[in-house]
Amino acid sequence: QVQLQESGPGLVKPSETLSLTCTVSGGSISNYYWIWIRQPPGKGLEWIGYIFYSGNTNYNPSLKSRVTLSVDTSKNQFSLKLSSVTAADTAVYYCARGSWDIAVPGTTLDYWGQGALVTVSS
Amino acid sequence: DIQMTQSPSSLSASVGDRVTITCRASQSISSYLNWYQQKSGKGPKLLIYAASSLQSGVPSRFSGSGSGTDFTLTISSLQPEDFATYYCQQSYSTPWTFGQGTKVEIK
Repeated sequence: QVQLQESGPGLVKPSETLSLTCTVSGGSISNYYWIWIRQPPGKGLEWIGYIFYSGNTNYNPSLKSRVTLSVDTSKNQFSLKLSSVTAADTAVYYCARGSWDIAVPGTTLDYWGQGALVTVSS
Repeated sequence: DIQMTQSPSSLSASVGDRVTITCRASQSISSYLNWYQQKSGKGPKLLIYAASSLQSGVPSRFSGSGSGTDFTLTISSLQPEDFATYYCQQSYSTPWTFGQGTKVEIK
């Protein structure tokens, strides 16, 4: 059974960089998209971006200037860095796996982590 | 960006009811539409992919339909464990976007 687990600081100061890591267990990191999504308290879901196992990335234009995703296949981990954070970046951050199949339209987020609450505050 | 609009935003229903949630895309997305269920304090769970395909392990009372711009998630007979928030999501083009969610509450 594939499992994803987010880890990282729960409190970040304004203007600093938010850093989270997602560890994948029970399956390989190869041949999938690895995705970050966030959910501000009481609000809906926002796609941050994805990184393919090969390292190709795609970011939400609304965050692109501040986001960096990376993947470490040797550790079965991928990571998120979000710079110059403000209170508006306070959210639960989820990592997820994106599966694809040539016979199926689109990419499905078939496994998710439980989420990590990150609060931006001084 | 493709805007996804769900309706209703919330609904109250009883166990055994048939429940229908709709999702409309601001432009055609073919069948690039997924549905997720989120319970309080948990990460979302994939229910339906490619508009109408049931994810493995998901009960058959869940079904999806539609293509182009209009989509529907149906729960044929609501069970106590189905009270949650439901989201649609398009993967037709980036940025991938979600509907605002539909909260299904106990009547």
